[in-house]
Amino acid sequence: DQQVKQNSPSLSVQEGRISILNCDYTNSMFDYFLWYKKYPAEGPTFLISISSIKDKNEDGRFTVFLNKSAKHLSLHIVPSQPGDSAVYFCASSPSQGGSEKLVFGKGTKLTVNP
Amino acid sequence: GAVVSQHPSRVICKSGTSVKIECRSLDFQATTMFWYRQFPKKSLMLMATSNEGSKATYEQGVEKDKFLINHASLTLSTLTVTSAHPEDSSFYICSALPDITRFYYNEQFFGPGTRLTVL
Repeated sequence: DQQVKQNSPSLSVQEGRISILNCDYTNSMFDYFLWYKKYPAEGPTFLISISSIKDKNEDGRFTVFLNKSAKHLSLHIVPSQPGDSAVYFCASSPSQGGSEKLVFGKGTKLTVNP
Repeated sequence: GAVVSQHPSRVICKSGTSVKIECRSLDFQATTMFWYRQFPKKSLMLMATSNEGSKATYEQGVEKDKFLINHASLTLSTLTVTSAHPEDSSFYICSALPDITRFYYNEQFFGPGTRLTVL
């Protein structure tokens, strides 16, 4: 049973446009959500996170939106750049703090075309 | 940001041999580290949670005698793949949870990964 789902395995956008990556979760105990970016043959790097007490968190070109009632979050990248091309993983945790293990989605491969 | 290193980055070994992978947090202490495995076009699969000074906690289906974990210090965890076979070939990634922020932010910092190929 996959608790974190990224239903789009891939997404292709034009440079300068908005990239929207989606993530759904099933476990209502999840309270903290993170996005990681991963290049081939490298470990994931942390991008942005959001706690369930918020519905939006912004950091530069990256914004994460959380709709807790729909158990849905999305990552918006504006404007998209070719260097953003990577696999993006959504991850969830039961709490913002502590040493709880993260549950990852399968990832969405983003390609930004020049 | 916090830096996590892994060594080696790539290893090729013969079937039946054992391989040790090191995971180090370079500029912070981490009581808790995690070991993941990633298959091609698949998500990160958590194998085990490594805690300094205590036994690792393995996820269901992961053989603890096959994948030995030792968290020797607050900056070092090792994963040893014992009697490796071709099906163990994979990309192994570790992550570390900084002690200084762990109770506030559950943000893991990942190593660059180790590509294991068993012939």
